Amino acid sequence: SQQGEEDPQALSIQEGENATMNCSYKTSINNLQWYRQNSGRGLVHLILIRSNEREKHSGRLRVTLDTSKKSSSLLITASRAADTASYFCAPSSGSARQLTFGSGTQLTVLP
Amino acid sequence: GAVVSQHPSRVICKSGTSVKIECRSLDFQATTMFWYRQFPKKSLMLMATSNEGSKATYEQGVEKDKFLINHASLTLSTLTVTSAHPEDSSFYICSASRGGGPKTEAFFGQGTRLTVV
Repeated sequence: SQQGEEDPQALSIQEGENATMNCSYKTSINNLQWYRQNSGRGLVHLILIRSNEREKHSGRLRVTLDTSKKSSSLLITASRAADTASYFCAPSSGSARQLTFGSGTQLTVLP
Repeated sequence: GAVVSQHPSRVICKSGTSVKIECRSLDFQATTMFWYRQFPKKSLMLMATSNEGSKATYEQGVEKDKFLINHASLTLSTLTVTSAHPEDSSFYICSASRGGGPKTEAFFGQGTRLTVV
């Protein structure tokens, strides 16, 4: 498995604004997943994008994947205070089911 | 979606005692589960891969005699922190994957906050 690195490490925005966080990885992947973690809680799966997909939407979430640049982005539109959490990406190379994580992006949405 | 349940959510124990943490996949069978450790404001560190019916695979630097993993059934893996010390205080999270291949999605437990006093 390989580790994704999220950027920025911390992001603070006002409620209603959009939040964009990025993920970079090093080797080829079959899919990439984004997770959210509220303080002191487990991870919640947000979205999975496969290597042959360029963009995927789920509610207020939009994920893009650029395999040529080995990067992905997560966009949260019209952010809410409840979106405050840490966000992690997890690139996965096919059958490897263990995931490794970077340090995450700590998103703070101010009311 | 699939649910992974972790128990207990919080535990406080005395130095020298052992603590067992359970990870259950509630609505699917998981031949493989994973145990992570997370320090405050840090990433999750993969500790070991728990394999049903066989020995766990530990990551480099993780003491297998200290962190005992048992995966006795397809829905239950346990992590036992033996002879706990204050430096073992951390947030422990398990995960399980349903299916395999490129559509694999990992589901995480809610985590266990271990405090060793």
